[in-house]
Amino acid sequence: DGGITQSPKYLFRKEGQNVTLSCEQNLNHDAMYWYRQDPGQGLRLIYYSQIVNDFQKGDIAEGYSVSREKKESFPLTVTSAQKNPTAFYLCASRQGWPRRFNQPQHFGDGTRLSIL
Amino acid sequence: DAKTTQPNSMESNEEEPVHLPCNHSTISGTDYIHWYRQLPSQGPEYVIHGLTSNVNNRMASLAIAEDRKSSTLILHRATLRDAAVYYCIPIMNRDDKIIFGKGTRLHILP
Repeated sequence: DGGITQSPKYLFRKEGQNVTLSCEQNLNHDAMYWYRQDPGQGLRLIYYSQIVNDFQKGDIAEGYSVSREKKESFPLTVTSAQKNPTAFYLCASRQGWPRRFNQPQHFGDGTRLSIL
Repeated sequence: DAKTTQPNSMESNEEEPVHLPCNHSTISGTDYIHWYRQLPSQGPEYVIHGLTSNVNNRMASLAIAEDRKSSTLILHRATLRDAAVYYCIPIMNRDDKIIFGKGTRLHILP
């Protein structure tokens, strides 16, 4: 079945450590997204990518980095510069140009990151 | 970016209709209106979308105001499984940036 796979489901980070969250999709979607969700809050956009080898900052990109070397993969690195990384991280994808305007996003099941 | 305003929370009785409002007064003429919902500890799921006219699918109906400055998601017969946070999102045709607001937390009373 087509879908989005995020791994791991739970992740623990030590102080000063970088960690990478995986996101893979087999939907042949052009656009991919990373969101952060804090308890009781809505989703905030970290980064998004409309095409391979290109990505744009969202509203809260500081302390995060991404790459888009392959269409199906969009990993997110939470760097040590992100001082409050504990959150629920969600990856999404969406059909790109020229059909994107009315195409929905598809979400993974998320990764919960905690600080040790 | 188009801004949306939704009630923080709403309550409804089971098996009754629910009307979830959203104001999007800054939406542009070609922006679609999408609705998603998020169940506890899960990623959001798509519910419905529309541009100008009312839309129906197996999950819900979407009523869009004639001036497009507001819309209402209608759940015709709420069940306990509909308890979730509902997000109203304008989808711009200019780029793929998609911003979620805080949504409306819907409580269903048995």
